[in-house]
Amino acid sequence: SQQGEEDPQALSIQEGENATMNCSYKTSINNLQWYRQNSGRGLVHLILIRSNEREKHSGRLRVTLDTSKKSSSVLITASRAADTASYFCATARSGGYNKLIFGAGTRLAVHP
Amino acid sequence: KAGVTQTPRYLIKTRGQQVTLSCSPISGHRSVSWYQQTPGQGLQFLFEYFSETQRNKGNFPGRFSGRQFSNSRSEMNVSTLELGDSALYLCASREGTEGNQPQHFGDGTRLSIL
Repeated sequence: SQQGEEDPQALSIQEGENATMNCSYKTSINNLQWYRQNSGRGLVHLILIRSNEREKHSGRLRVTLDTSKKSSSVLITASRAADTASYFCATARSGGYNKLIFGAGTRLAVHP
Repeated sequence: KAGVTQTPRYLIKTRGQQVTLSCSPISGHRSVSWYQQTPGQGLQFLFEYFSETQRNKGNFPGRFSGRQFSNSRSEMNVSTLELGDSALYLCASREGTEGNQPQHFGDGTRLSIL
């Protein structure tokens, strides 16, 4: 079963615009991670935010985490056509060994 | 460093057969996890190995099994294949088992069952 739910399921924007994707989860977590998957390829780790952090930046990515609402969002600024991919949030539960539980993902299309 | 390598990339089998998939982790990584990805169920955790021992297991039937060798390479086996086993099987590695380490994924094996 999936822990996280992303919204929207699909997002279509123009190059240069910002993209925001959201993730909600159900149980207590140790950390939340965002991954990107290009069509037919494996997942690429983007960023990890720990449960005691509220915001984190990496390049054009800004991730926030609200543990009281059990939600996270990732903002991609100044998007590029190369950002076109599916984006997944994944949670590592508190007390869990190492299993990542993934959400259903958001398909992002960035048009030139 | 070379990334996570999965072989083969594509595989076609028929119902009732068995299959073995291989994963070579990043050099120095001792933890290997396996995930199944399907359009209907998304990404689901199968199992994780560390130091040749299974440390965690997902909710899959006993037809799905795995093992890890002393060089950290891992294999997973699916017996008595069913149509629903058609999926992308992804392997991921990390250095150890500390929870705040990200996973590094291979490009997967696409398994099709006819």
